Amino acid sequence: QVQLVQSGAEVKKPGASVKVSCKASGYTFTYHYIHWVRQAPGQGLEWMGIINPSGGSTNYAQKFQGRVTMTRDTSTSTVYMELSSLRSEDTAVYYCARVITMRDNWFDTWGQGTLVTVSS
Amino acid sequence: EIVMTQSPATLSVSPGERATLSCRARQSVTSNLAWYQQKPGQAPRLLIYGASTRATGIPARFSGSGSGTEFTLTISSLQSEDFAVYYCQQYNNWPLTFGGGTKVEIK
Repeated sequence: QVQLVQSGAEVKKPGASVKVSCKASGYTFTYHYIHWVRQAPGQGLEWMGIINPSGGSTNYAQKFQGRVTMTRDTSTSTVYMELSSLRSEDTAVYYCARVITMRDNWFDTWGQGTLVTVSS
Repeated sequence: EIVMTQSPATLSVSPGERATLSCRARQSVTSNLAWYQQKPGQAPRLLIYGASTRATGIPARFSGSGSGTEFTLTISSLQSEDFAVYYCQQYNNWPLTFGGGTKVEIK
């Protein structure tokens, strides 16, 4: 079955970076774009960006430009999201999510989420 | 960016009753709207895309309607497993944006 499995929870200090992984299985990795969405505690969902697993091209939300980097490794069917210069407001659950096509950006499969806690 | 506004923030409903959730876009998103259900400690689950198409495996009691700027998610007869938070999401324009959510709680 189609699955996205994310790496485990992280605790980071302000100013540090975090890299979260998302391993895909059950489908052809390069056929479907992957997005990252985050959710602060008790809050709603916030879109961060998208990566094309085939060519590696990305598109980031303006809010995260300069601080986020999304990459992929086709040999392991894994995408990564790295967020730098962490601050307390970045404490959130980070999700990867798959879309069916580049045009239809609704998320049919989600990872289980990775809690990133930023605290001194 | 397109701001999505959901109402009400909380909806108290008795099991078996009908629930109607609203999502409004500040500008037209045509029919490029999806609905998700999220339970505590879980990832969101896709319910509806294209404003009115149920995702695979979603029960028929969930229905979506609307286009342009006004959308509705209706749950015809609430079951115990339907008490959750519901989000709408537009994918007509970048950046993708979500509504603030509607919590459906037991009355």
